[in-house]
Amino acid sequence: EIVLTQSPGTLSLSPGERATLSCRASQSVSNFAWYQQKPGQAPRLLIYGASSRATGIPDRFSGSGSGTDFTLTISRLEPEDFAVYYCQQYGRSPITFGQGTRLQIK
Amino acid sequence: QVQLVESGGGVVQPGRSLRLSCAASGFSFSTYGMHWVRQAPGKGLEWVTFIRSDGSRKYSADSVEGRFNISRDNSNKTLYLQMSSLRAEDTAVYYCARGGRCRDNICFFDAFDLWGQGTMVTVSS
Repeated sequence: EIVLTQSPGTLSLSPGERATLSCRASQSVSNFAWYQQKPGQAPRLLIYGASSRATGIPDRFSGSGSGTDFTLTISRLEPEDFAVYYCQQYGRSPITFGQGTRLQIK
Repeated sequence: QVQLVESGGGVVQPGRSLRLSCAASGFSFSTYGMHWVRQAPGKGLEWVTFIRSDGSRKYSADSVEGRFNISRDNSNKTLYLQMSSLRAEDTAVYYCARGGRCRDNICFFDAFDLWGQGTMVTVSS
């Protein structure tokens, strides 16, 4: 099983600032995604294929990385961006998620 | 409208069974692989199980292997999760999600681009 470790666990920033979220895999990953989840809602796909934005996702969200190290960057935080973010590998079974990074308002 | 709608959650005693349903609409259900994902209260996301678009192949997490069975009815655009021998640790919101395609007879997982709103399952005596 591929274990995904996200850092930091919690990130406190202000609107307008830049957010950098990390995810490290225990072995090389072939297919990688990022999701956003707000309280009481289902997760929403942000990034697939490590760097491709999903339909309707603003361009302030960007993904990068390959192999075992991946990054989600939010260039300029908007109030609606404060949420929990999960990374995921979907290259092989079992599909696994990271434990999540909580992005909160400072 | 492209959507997934889960139903069938509720309170069930340990050791009993429950079946969840996920009704799809607005897209070609029979061409997509489908998943169940769960989230225990206050916890992260846990992938549960997957079924290929034609139902010919399934994968499951070790935590549910032998207890949960995923199935689908493409004619009625519905995904199912039959859960048996339920345990307290199965308590969670269960989401269905779209995430798999086949192309030129090669099938693969996809990112989960469509999710239902979730249905809560509570296992308690």
